[in-house]
Amino acid sequence: DTAVSQTPKYLVTQMGNDKSIKCEQNLGHDTMYWYKQDSKKFLKIMFSYNNKELIINETVPNRFSPKSPDKAHLNLHINSLELGDSAVYFCASSLALVGIEQFFGPGTRLTVL
Amino acid sequence: GENVEQHPSTLSVQEGDSAVIKCTYSDSASNYFPWYKQELGKRPQLIIDIRSNVGEKKDQRIAVTLNKTAKHFSLHITETQPEDSAVYFCAATPTDNWGKLQFGAGTQVVVTP
Repeated sequence: DTAVSQTPKYLVTQMGNDKSIKCEQNLGHDTMYWYKQDSKKFLKIMFSYNNKELIINETVPNRFSPKSPDKAHLNLHINSLELGDSAVYFCASSLALVGIEQFFGPGTRLTVL
Repeated sequence: GENVEQHPSTLSVQEGDSAVIKCTYSDSASNYFPWYKQELGKRPQLIIDIRSNVGEKKDQRIAVTLNKTAKHFSLHITETQPEDSAVYFCAATPTDNWGKLQFGAGTQVVVTP
């Protein structure tokens, strides 16, 4: 009965490959997010979706493409992986768009070799 | 856009002492200020938040204060315990900015017995 889940937990891949990370929330929330946490622990938002609609699209290379098939799922596809993409990627969700607690998933540690 | 600065980057305290973490923000429109705790290898979790119509909020051993005029807010942890050891993130967001949380760089708190 995990609230926000992500798969896989670990992802090790070669430069140039394409990979996807999946996220699901069973909280009934309308809004979902992707964050990137770098090696210095800095947390930065990448995207947010509200009711399957893209709301926030930060300055992220267009190799990163989010997809929300329904309100409970937000996936992240990354093309042509680069060394600098190595990080922990967190999915999160919240009941509404603004001024409210965000619930984070367990994270996906991506290592690009 | 919003810019959040957080100090100190690391904080070592003896068990039972108090810990204080300070954050400043740049956007006067910001009016929601959450604090997240991230234990090693785990997800960030909300521990307390404050809105701009409140100057102080307490929850057991943790408290947050907000000074809107000076644009800074602080987290206070009293009677620290080893389980308080973690990275703490402050964040700020204007409630009309579609839920975009701007995080501080984090404070590594180490509580020594």
